[in-house]
Amino acid sequence: ETGVTQSPTHLIKTRGQQVTLRCSSQSGHNTVSWYQQALGQGPQFIFQYYREEENGRGNFPPRFSGLQFPNYSSELNVNALELDDSALYLCASSLDAHSSGGPGGYTFGSGTRLTVV
Amino acid sequence: GESVGLHLPTLSVQEGDNSIINCAYSNSASDYFIWYKQESGKGPQFIIDIRSNMDKRQGQRVTVLLNKTVKHLSLQIAATQPGDSAVYFCAENRGMDSSYKLIFGSGTRLLVRP
Repeated sequence: ETGVTQSPTHLIKTRGQQVTLRCSSQSGHNTVSWYQQALGQGPQFIFQYYREEENGRGNFPPRFSGLQFPNYSSELNVNALELDDSALYLCASSLDAHSSGGPGGYTFGSGTRLTVV
Repeated sequence: GESVGLHLPTLSVQEGDNSIINCAYSNSASDYFIWYKQESGKGPQFIIDIRSNMDKRQGQRVTVLLNKTVKHLSLQIAATQPGDSAVYFCAENRGMDSSYKLIFGSGTRLLVRP
């Protein structure tokens, strides 16, 4: 059984550019959630993908978008990057979007560290 | 607004002592809470969880207490070890229209002194 894999691990972009981050979910998990973690803060929910559709969104602007593929892997796209987008982006997979959790219900990847200069 | 907050940003303990990390939450309707450990350069790692129909749950060296009256959670780590040094987050699993999301606090850094 593999865990959640995110790529790349680190990335530096220039303000105004676009970025795509990738996530492979844990085997058997069909739901992917993305979180943004600013330095010294707790993760903030961006959105969730289930059955290849967005299934819930946090307080993030439309320039944050995503995709989920038939194999349940997912991408996070951010357009028109701003300096404040610098953060650790975490992907978490889970068995079912409708589940209220359970022991170890969410499995997190190690994240992508994005720096916008 | 949404918030799961923590009382102490940094906790320093002697190796072998017990550690207690506290957390307050705001949504009285929440029914599931999780404690995560995050080491440098890694994602959050599940430690222990508790549902709102319980007030205590024990794991290996860890205990979570839930006080719904005052909307307070605590994580107790027995015989704290150097490997326990990390940032600890409580999270509330909150229902949305068709799914759930985690609401995290800002974290408590646990430092274990040798």
